[in-house]
Amino acid sequence: IVLTQSPGTLSLSPGERATLSCRASQSVNNNYLAWYQQKPGQAPRLLIYGATSRATGIPDRISGSGSGTDFTLTISRLEPEDFAVYYCQQYGNSRTFGQGTKVEI
Amino acid sequence: QVQLVQSGSELKKPGASVKVSCKASGYTFTNYAMHWVRQAPGQGLEYMGWIYTNTGNPTYAQGFTGRFVFSLDTSVNTAYLQISSLKADDSAVYYCVAFDLGDYWGQGTLVTVSS
Repeated sequence: IVLTQSPGTLSLSPGERATLSCRASQSVNNNYLAWYQQKPGQAPRLLIYGATSRATGIPDRISGSGSGTDFTLTISRLEPEDFAVYYCQQYGNSRTFGQGTKVEI
Repeated sequence: QVQLVQSGSELKKPGASVKVSCKASGYTFTNYAMHWVRQAPGQGLEYMGWIYTNTGNPTYAQGFTGRFVFSLDTSVNTAYLQISSLKADDSAVYYCVAFDLGDYWGQGTLVTVSS
């Protein structure tokens, strides 16, 4: 399954809303779709699993939605620590990652 | 607490081999598969595959067959990634990941291939 993320880069200001898209080349089994955040020099951190469930410790300003082939990660009000690269990953059929979306100031 | 501790950075010449280790602690090693993920400098995440830690059976993702070998030493709770015939394109950070345990990542091992 190929995952295509858009946009490649999102330029926003703190307090704004961020909407990231992840489109799959075929339906993701059981909506097994996760979102990760990665900051420079760090391993990725799990934000969302099962398309909509927040991982432990993830604030409720971060949410996931979607099903089938179209998924969205929304950050309702950007905080300074949210500026990072975000990846989607499907784990319904082996695993694959999208190419990433950079959220920059 | 769950920890995955990887071996240190490696500098290798083209054509050489490298073996990256990932030592697990804080859980029953053989209960959860170990996965491997590659990240080239400035690039995205690439899924390499996994190894069942109870049977030692590996599965390689497309693009990671032939020169890449996953192995285990269950006596020391350690997973290994060996890459042979190294090329410059293999320069990357390699992560071991226990996805099924609750998404635990090693700290990453930088492998640099340069003459």
